[in-house]
Amino acid sequence: AQSVTQLGSHVSVSEGALVLLRCNYSSSVPPYLFWYVQYPNQGLQLLLKYTSAATLVKGINGFEAEFKKSETSFHLTKPSAHMSDAAEYFCAVSDFAGYALNFGKGTSLLVTP
Amino acid sequence: ETGVTQTPRHLVMGMTNKKSLKCEQHLGHNAMYWYKQSAKKPLELMFVYNFKEQTENNSVPSRFSPECPNSSHLFLHLHTLQPEDSALYLCASSQPGYFHEQFFGPGTRLTVL
Repeated sequence: AQSVTQLGSHVSVSEGALVLLRCNYSSSVPPYLFWYVQYPNQGLQLLLKYTSAATLVKGINGFEAEFKKSETSFHLTKPSAHMSDAAEYFCAVSDFAGYALNFGKGTSLLVTP
Repeated sequence: ETGVTQTPRHLVMGMTNKKSLKCEQHLGHNAMYWYKQSAKKPLELMFVYNFKEQTENNSVPSRFSPECPNSSHLFLHLHTLQPEDSALYLCASSQPGYFHEQFFGPGTRLTVL
């Protein structure tokens, strides 16, 4: 089965600093990978997805992620954090058997002034 | 209404009550999902419906009963719940297939007393 591991349940950055949220995947077949964001009291919103096209994927709100097969990673980055980026971020991988998504435990991003 | 809507947004119920959660998607999708999001736990897939047919039941207790009368509507019927069932219940929809992203509703915050 496909799975993802998010390293770091909490990440704190200063406003304007680089954001790096880590995700490693486990899959015996080429994976389809997703990053979602969840703001307080809201559902999940898709940031970006990787579906075996370009390895560098650009998403909404200035986020991007790079698929690295050799490292089995799909880390999420943003060059300059904004206060509005404070939220919970989830990495997910498609479960080919069940047509569903397997989510990581999430990383809470705190942005300080 | 656009996207995925869920009602009610908040629900408090006793252990002997019967209630239902409703989800409606306005995206023309044919797959719908129920997820449970508890504090300190990853998102847990509960049920998957493809073209109104249940294709996955992720070992969910029988006190949770899903219903999908058509591709646009999904219900979760609740009865004799336990306090540990208190959580955020998220509905999602997508086109069928493992490479399609899922679109989430805002969730129903359920508290079982």
